Amino acid sequence: SQQGEEDPQALSIQEGENATMNCSYKTSINNLQWYRQNSGRGLVHLILIRSNEREKHSGRLRVTLDTSKKSSSLLITASRAADTASYFCATGYGNKLVFGAGTILRVKS
Amino acid sequence: NAGVMQNPRHLVRRRGQEARLRCSPMKGHSHVYWYRQLPEEGLKFMVYLQKENIIDESGMPKERFSAEFPKEGPSILRIQQVVRGDSAAYFCASSPRLAESNEQFFGPGTRLTVL
Repeated sequence: SQQGEEDPQALSIQEGENATMNCSYKTSINNLQWYRQNSGRGLVHLILIRSNEREKHSGRLRVTLDTSKKSSSLLITASRAADTASYFCATGYGNKLVFGAGTILRVKS
Repeated sequence: NAGVMQNPRHLVRRRGQEARLRCSPMKGHSHVYWYRQLPEEGLKFMVYLQKENIIDESGMPKERFSAEFPKEGPSILRIQQVVRGDSAAYFCASSPRLAESNEQFFGPGTRLTVL
């Protein structure tokens, strides 16, 4: 299975702190994507990083990719209460995306 | 440019009934994907369709589930004789082509509850 796995499963931080979530996967990939899901809602695409990239930024988001370790991390800097959500990594595998189980982030104000 | 649309947003069915979930892809997108999310889990791929063709249904249960994407109209995910275990959120995604990036745009989902 190429199923990615995120850790931690849950993360609770104070507003203003940074949040780091990790994702591991099992097979070679072309790219890895991160999505956010607010409670009971659909998925919002955050960022895509290609296999030949090591780091990518988008606003307060920073994603790294280490293909030798088959892992990625998502860093959210200066977190806000509105960042409270579940975060999923997904790897492209042929026609489909394979998602991990997600990290539940709670940002306390 | 409207995003991916799904309806209904919430659907309640009794065991044994049929559930029909609809998905209208983004304008200009001809590829549709269906995913299922069980409570507190990630999304699991079910099926990938192009207009009038099922390309990959490796994630579809062998029985009771079917999907179509006709030449005109939305994509339909159909679940016959629903059971309680079918209760989940069903998400549709679309893409303009089988892009190398695999970037897919997701709809808001349909939450199916089977009583």
